[in-house]
Amino acid sequence: QQPVQSPQAVILREGEDAVINCSSSKALYSVHWYRQKHGEAPVFLMILLKGGEQKGHDKISASFNEKKQQSSLYLTASQLSYSGTYFCGTEHSGGSNYKLTFGKGTLLTVNP
Amino acid sequence: DTGVSQDPRHKITKRGQNVTFRCDPISEHNRLYWYRQTLGQGPEFLTYFQNEAQLEKSRLLSDRFSAERPKGSFSTLEIQRTEQGDSAMYLCASSLAGGPDTDTQYFGPGTRLTVL
Repeated sequence: QQPVQSPQAVILREGEDAVINCSSSKALYSVHWYRQKHGEAPVFLMILLKGGEQKGHDKISASFNEKKQQSSLYLTASQLSYSGTYFCGTEHSGGSNYKLTFGKGTLLTVNP
Repeated sequence: DTGVSQDPRHKITKRGQNVTFRCDPISEHNRLYWYRQTLGQGPEFLTYFQNEAQLEKSRLLSDRFSAERPKGSFSTLEIQRTEQGDSAMYLCASSLAGGPDTDTQYFGPGTRLTVL
């Protein structure tokens, strides 16, 4: 089952914050977050494992709510370089722990 | 640059022709994945190798598609008798099982296929 991402798109001014959500109808083992700029490869941001801790680096962090089968990506004090499409990829509990199922993405635009 | 390379970066072909793409993963990575991405969508899993063994193929991978990883290093994806619906970005990713960042998949730049 493909995870559902929300919102589909968001426009920010530089310095503003954003939250991107990723929800699954199936029990999750892990959630992987990627950012992809137009015409480029998806770039790995972070992975959250079931039972693991909230992760983050610089001004980007993420959480994993096992009860809700949901992950949220937090971008604070956004920079122009944060623009791109954000994808969550999910691995499901009991499934093959290697195949990622990606959402449709959230297009983030940061304007000056 | 993630260290995963793909060749060619762009391929334009006529319907019915065969095409082959190559992926070179990060050198010590033992897992290799192929995904397909169309406009406005996230990557869709196609197939997966652990070393030279192909362990899973998606139902998306019809009989016209074949993938190999003969020596557990680089991989090729061949599409026979291409159709317009095959037009997409084909992404390769690799990961190291058992390493400190197990499960982290690093993507290559992709091969954009256009079938006329």
